Amino acid sequence: DTAVSQTPKYLVTQMGNDKSIKCEQNLGHDTMYWYKQDSKKFLKIMFSYNNKELIINETVPNRFSPKSPDKAHLNLHINSLELGDSAVYFCASSLGGGGQGRSPLHFGNGTRLTVT
Amino acid sequence: AQSVTQLGSHVSVSEGALVLLRCNYSSSVPPYLFWYVQYPNQGLQLLLKYTTGATLVKGINGFEAEFKKSETSFHLTKPSAHMSDAAEYFCAVSDLVTGGFKTIFGAGTRLFVKA
Repeated sequence: DTAVSQTPKYLVTQMGNDKSIKCEQNLGHDTMYWYKQDSKKFLKIMFSYNNKELIINETVPNRFSPKSPDKAHLNLHINSLELGDSAVYFCASSLGGGGQGRSPLHFGNGTRLTVT
Repeated sequence: AQSVTQLGSHVSVSEGALVLLRCNYSSSVPPYLFWYVQYPNQGLQLLLKYTTGATLVKGINGFEAEFKKSETSFHLTKPSAHMSDAAEYFCAVSDLVTGGFKTIFGAGTRLFVKA
């Protein structure tokens, strides 16, 4: 199936640990994103990559480091996890997001991160 | 920077009744506007979008939205609610920033459908 897929679906870990979330899209899109959805369902963009190049980097702690090995993959590594990092993290992709604001986003099903 | 305001964090309607979810945006330029739906434990799916042209936009599942520039609104409607429409709905606007576009979401409106 054509889709945006992210793994794992659930991630439970303790404070101070380091974890990664992986994302892959087979839609042929050139732009990928990470969004964070908090407990009140509010969605906030974290990062955006266009053709492996970082184009949007919101005010996110530098414990969060995205990596895009190619334009079909965007991973998120989080160091020294804190309680406040608990949220649902969504990967998304679009076509021409670097210069085409009319392109809609295609979302993965999310990774629910719980930090204890 | 552009922003989106969704009026009403929760909306409850009876099955078969009209659905109206309100969205207002702020923009100094013609906006690109979107409505997305999120079902429990899933990602967001595009319902419809407005970019240019006809101001009444039809989407999936019988939803439509009308772009009204004078009112800076993009309200979502459906003539007759189904139980399966119960979900979280997000209005969004595409904002031009350094490097490209980013999509800014409203706070969401949870739609409840009563039998």
